[in-house]
Amino acid sequence: KNEVEQSPQNLTAQEGEFITINCSYSVGISALHWLQQHPGGGIVSLFMLSSGKKKHGRLIATINIQEKHSSLHITASHPRDSAVYICAVIRGPGNQFYFGTGTSLTVIP
Amino acid sequence: DADVTQTPRNRITKTGKRIMLECSQTKGHDRMYWYRQDPGLGLRLIYYSFDVKDINKGEISDGYSVSRQAQAKFSLSLESAIPNQTALYFCATSERGRGGANVLTFGAGSRLTVL
Repeated sequence: KNEVEQSPQNLTAQEGEFITINCSYSVGISALHWLQQHPGGGIVSLFMLSSGKKKHGRLIATINIQEKHSSLHITASHPRDSAVYICAVIRGPGNQFYFGTGTSLTVIP
Repeated sequence: DADVTQTPRNRITKTGKRIMLECSQTKGHDRMYWYRQDPGLGLRLIYYSFDVKDINKGEISDGYSVSRQAQAKFSLSLESAIPNQTALYFCATSERGRGGANVLTFGAGSRLTVL
């Protein structure tokens, strides 16, 4: 069982819809990343957070440390948001990264 | 120029061949990582290095070796490639951010196909 679980695995939305992607993890962490991987493969970091909430444009990330849960929200979704979104947690004495399997999002015009 | 550069971006090779994937960075980060990505699986750690003299195995190091030639360079070798090493390989770098959390930067990936 992966210690970082994401849901849903696949998501299709109409342009303009509000989107939520969830990430749950099983052990204590020092921080959590949300990553975006576009077709073609490149991975970029969207957010790093250890508490509360962060916002960048139409993207909002929240984390609840007590519940071991984070969400990534996309408001007013657009086809260019189509990508795989990956949750990664940082934990352990070496601050290692552990990755979820990703959520594949397709936004239809 | 990209902060983290991987070469080659694509490679097709035959079983038994030796392959090297190279990674160089201009971020000035001490920590470097090699991951592989397979469909349906999360990124899995092959090797990591916290400085030039520090090399550590990750969860799937068998069949791979690495060399940290300098702070900016970290190469991954497959001594005798096999088909199940066909995957997308990522190099990444990190440094400790404020509050102890690490900032992570990825290369563009190297797609390896072993026939």
